[in-house]
Amino acid sequence: NAGVTQTPKFQVLKTGQSMTLQCAQDMNHNSMYWYRQDPGMGLRLIYYSASEGTTDKGEVPNGYNVSRLNKREFSLRLESAAPSQTSVYFCASSYTNTDTQYFGPGTRLTVL
Amino acid sequence: DQQVKQNSPSLSVQEGRISILNCDYTNSMFDYFLWYKKYPAEGPTFLISISSIKDKNEDGRFTVFLNKSAKHLSLHIVPSQPGDSAVYFCAAGWGLGGGADGLTFGKGTHLIIQP
Repeated sequence: NAGVTQTPKFQVLKTGQSMTLQCAQDMNHNSMYWYRQDPGMGLRLIYYSASEGTTDKGEVPNGYNVSRLNKREFSLRLESAAPSQTSVYFCASSYTNTDTQYFGPGTRLTVL
Repeated sequence: DQQVKQNSPSLSVQEGRISILNCDYTNSMFDYFLWYKKYPAEGPTFLISISSIKDKNEDGRFTVFLNKSAKHLSLHIVPSQPGDSAVYFCAAGWGLGGGADGLTFGKGTHLIIQP
């Protein structure tokens, strides 16, 4: 039982490149989330998926897209990376949209 | 506008003493609150939660207190141990039983336990 897994752990991109961050959970959770953490800013919600087949914007969605591929997997895509997207990205999941969220280990992204 | 505030960026406590971490919120719709602990290079780990119908919840060395009238919650760790050194995030949500999604996090307090 791995919980929430994220790939890759680290990534360096050049401005304008695209990439997809992968997240998977094996806890049979319905809801999944993407957050970013910047120094001194806490965690901010980018997008979430309350249940399979639905996605919604969070606090800071600009520059990102998401796909809820199935119940287990929720990916985050940067179409054209910008230096302002340098951050640590965390995926989380919960049984319902109002339950305790459990986090993955994070992806550290640097955009040059 | 910050809806969840942790006004102390860092806190230093001696091993064996009580650590008290504070959190204030402004959105009166929040009806459940959580504390997460985070070590460097790891994801946040759930520690303890409380719903708005309670004013106290205990789990071993950890107790969370909620004062709804003051819109304030605190996390007490007794006794503090070296492994408690970490960043602690306060988080809040609303819609128990169906409602909004996601959590609103504070900026975190770095707790340092000194030997």
